[in-house]
Amino acid sequence: EVQLVESGGGLVQPGGSLRLSCAASGFTFSSYAMTWVRQAPGKGLEWVSAISRSGGSTYYADSVKGRFTLSRDNSKSTLYLHMNSLRAEDTAVYHCAKEKGSGSYESWGQGTLVTVSS
Amino acid sequence: DIQMTQSPSTLSASVGDRVTITCRASQSISNWLAWYQLKPGKAPKLLIYEASTLESGVPSRFSGSGSGTEFTLTISSLQPDDFATYYCQQYNTYSGTFGQGTKLEIK
Repeated sequence: EVQLVESGGGLVQPGGSLRLSCAASGFTFSSYAMTWVRQAPGKGLEWVSAISRSGGSTYYADSVKGRFTLSRDNSKSTLYLHMNSLRAEDTAVYHCAKEKGSGSYESWGQGTLVTVSS
Repeated sequence: DIQMTQSPSTLSASVGDRVTITCRASQSISNWLAWYQLKPGKAPKLLIYEASTLESGVPSRFSGSGSGTEFTLTISSLQPDDFATYYCQQYNTYSGTFGQGTKLEIK
């Protein structure tokens, strides 16, 4: 069974940093591109960032470009999202997701809450 | 960037009803469209991919259609478990833009 478990969320002050992790199991992690999607309170889904199977290519939403860095450790089946210069508008539940192959997201974690507030 | 416009934003219906949700892309995305179901506190669930392919394990009352810029999600006979929020998502580009969501409520 595919499992994606996010961790690392919490309360951080504006301008601060956090590192989110997504531990994957139940599939060959290195064979799949991975993605982060967030949902702010009362809002819809927003794609944040994606990474290729090898980690050689990364992509970011304009809203996080230059502040967030996505990486993966295929030996540990773990995805990392390093978030710097956090803003109030980054407050959201962050989900990691496994891409199906053509780009849809076939498995999701339950998410980790990031709250940016003073 | 490709924009996705979903309608309606809220839909009130009864168990047994047939409902349709529409999603429009700002430019052609071929059939690179997915539909997801969200419930509070749970992981999002993929329902349909490539516009009309039912994800494994999803009930056959769910169906998707369309190509290019116009897409629909249809639930043929609403069940109590279907009351949730639904999102379309384009993946023609690596930035998988979502629609605004449709909240399906019990009438």
